[in-house]
Amino acid sequence: SQKIEQNSEALNIQEGKTATLTCNYTNYSPAYLQWYRQDPGRGPVFLLLIRENEKEKRKERLKVTFDTTLKQSLFHITASQPADSATYLCAHHYTLSGNTPLVFGKGTRLSVIA
Amino acid sequence: DVKVTQSSRYLVKRTGEKVFLECVQDMDHENMFWYRQDPGLGLRLIYFSYDVKMKEKGDIPEGYSVSREKKERFSLILESASTNQTSMYLCASSWPGPNYGYTFGSGTRLTVV
Repeated sequence: SQKIEQNSEALNIQEGKTATLTCNYTNYSPAYLQWYRQDPGRGPVFLLLIRENEKEKRKERLKVTFDTTLKQSLFHITASQPADSATYLCAHHYTLSGNTPLVFGKGTRLSVIA
Repeated sequence: DVKVTQSSRYLVKRTGEKVFLECVQDMDHENMFWYRQDPGLGLRLIYFSYDVKMKEKGDIPEGYSVSREKKERFSLILESASTNQTSMYLCASSWPGPNYGYTFGSGTRLTVV
């Protein structure tokens, strides 16, 4: 079955550096991949969606890449700030058509140290 | 902004009780979902619905049921609460299709004692 994995449970970085989080998937390449932010005790918040024909997507200090050859998406936060500390989740749909619910990775907890 | 409202932030129930978790969204979304989130296990799908009166089982439906009588409301029911249902429950809604992200509620942290 299709799996989506975020290899790092936790990542610590210094303020001002670029944080890079990884999302890997097995079997087929999803047509769409999403990234969410989750603060402790709160629900996830949608950040970005990237399609398989988009190599890169940006939103302010966030950048997502999608490499269908490597079966991997990278999520970058540039000029990181302590306020960026949170858990980041990647997700995709079960099927290529996207008409099934999202499957989520377990998340990477990012801590930005001042 | 789309809002998904879950009726309770914290809930404590006794084993064997019937528990209702309510979720209401205000953007006329067709799709609604219930997930539970546990440390080390991530988000797991319990049930989902793509239309009024429609429901589909997710990955872990045992011990749960749902109701969607109106488009904006999706209720999760624990028929007879057990301690292994202690968890964070998250409701989400979205437009149909893969082009849209989900909007989640703030979650209900349920403790069954």
